[in-house]
Amino acid sequence: DAGVIQSPRHEVTEMGQEVTLRCKPISGHNSLFWYRQTMMRGLELLIYFNNNVPIDDSGMPEDRFSAKMPNASFSTLKIQPSEPRDSAVYFCASSTSGRARNEQFFGPGTRLTVL
Amino acid sequence: DQQVKQNSPSLSVQEGRISILNCDYTNSMFDYFLWYKKYPAEGPTFLISISSIKDKNEDGRFTVFLNKSAKHLSLHIVPSQPGDSAVYFCAASARANKFYFGSGTKLNVKP
Repeated sequence: DAGVIQSPRHEVTEMGQEVTLRCKPISGHNSLFWYRQTMMRGLELLIYFNNNVPIDDSGMPEDRFSAKMPNASFSTLKIQPSEPRDSAVYFCASSTSGRARNEQFFGPGTRLTVL
Repeated sequence: DQQVKQNSPSLSVQEGRISILNCDYTNSMFDYFLWYKKYPAEGPTFLISISSIKDKNEDGRFTVFLNKSAKHLSLHIVPSQPGDSAVYFCAASARANKFYFGSGTKLNVKP
């Protein structure tokens, strides 16, 4: 299995521009998570989906951030307009949901720099 | 406010010695805890977990200890190897799927 796939790996953009990050979860996994890693706050959960439905978006910082999961094999995280403080590494993770606490498998991340 | 805290941003240990990474949490509803390991330019990978019904879980060189009364867990690596040099994140969960992560501790194991 290829694991969780994220694109792009690096993104440099200017303030005010729209940024779209993409994620392909592991086939068969029905839960998908978007995280942001910063030096100050570590790994923060932004939003997670179960069976393509958003379950908890309480970590989404503000209305500039939105996430979609149109099907079981694809999700996007969009920032519009982007700001310098959005610079961070964004990770996507997937897992199988259920009553057990299942480990989450992370992608390699997208390093976003907003100038 | 962060519910999971790793107060040591970095730790340096000699090869062959024990590495002890610490983690504190504030939410008494957390009942499942995990450690993840992260190498540069890669995503975190699962290392070891523990349920609140236990106070210790061991997997090879890695042991996680849980002290519920102190709301504290620790990861012991014995013996430490240079390949263990990475950032270690602890995480906690009160229900399925939603994990709260700490800010990470960078471990450097010197040859």
